[in-house]
Amino acid sequence: TQLLEQSPQFLSIQEGENLTVYCNSSSVFSSLQWYRQEPGEGPVLLVTVVTGGEVKKLKRLTFQFGDARKDSSLHITAAQPGDTGLYLCAGAFSGGYQKVTFGTGTKLQVIP
Amino acid sequence: DSGVTQTPKHLITATGQRVTLRCSPRSGDLSVYWYQQSLDQGLQFLIQYYNGEERAKGNILERFSAQQFPDLHSELNLSSLELGDSALYFCASGTVNGYTFGSGTRLTVV
Repeated sequence: TQLLEQSPQFLSIQEGENLTVYCNSSSVFSSLQWYRQEPGEGPVLLVTVVTGGEVKKLKRLTFQFGDARKDSSLHITAAQPGDTGLYLCAGAFSGGYQKVTFGTGTKLQVIP
Repeated sequence: DSGVTQTPKHLITATGQRVTLRCSPRSGDLSVYWYQQSLDQGLQFLIQYYNGEERAKGNILERFSAQQFPDLHSELNLSSLELGDSALYFCASGTVNGYTFGSGTRLTVV
């Protein structure tokens, strides 16, 4: 069973602070996605990374895919209350049928 | 609106009962994925259908079954319900490079 571990599990920060969320596995991903989920709603896709070492930016969010494609990070600059939510990474593993496995999630609270 | 439609939004039922959750994928998507999300277990993959055929199975209980119809909508049937089946059930459509999720069905078993 492929596992995706995220850290930290919970994060409570003040508005304006920076933060980084990590997603790690012992397996190699063929692609990795980051989602944000708000209470009572479905996850919403933020980004997909496919190439080792790839960096993508989405406004104040920076996503990085590890060189070996086993890990990823999400960095938020100057966090705002609207960033509050559950952040999920999800990896697609190669070999036979590609199935997506979701990480354990990071619950972020940004306090005004 | 994500384009993936799930009904009903909320469902309250008693133990031992059977319920059916419905999902319509985004226009043009042939795959439907079902996930269960409970407080202590995150998003657990249940089953995938592609163009009417079962493609992959995850941690789906024998009491649960699903199907995808010719119009591509899918139904997830949960029977002999137990208290522990209370959870959010999501369906998604898309590819392994990005899913679009519905807003979910919150099932409460009492």
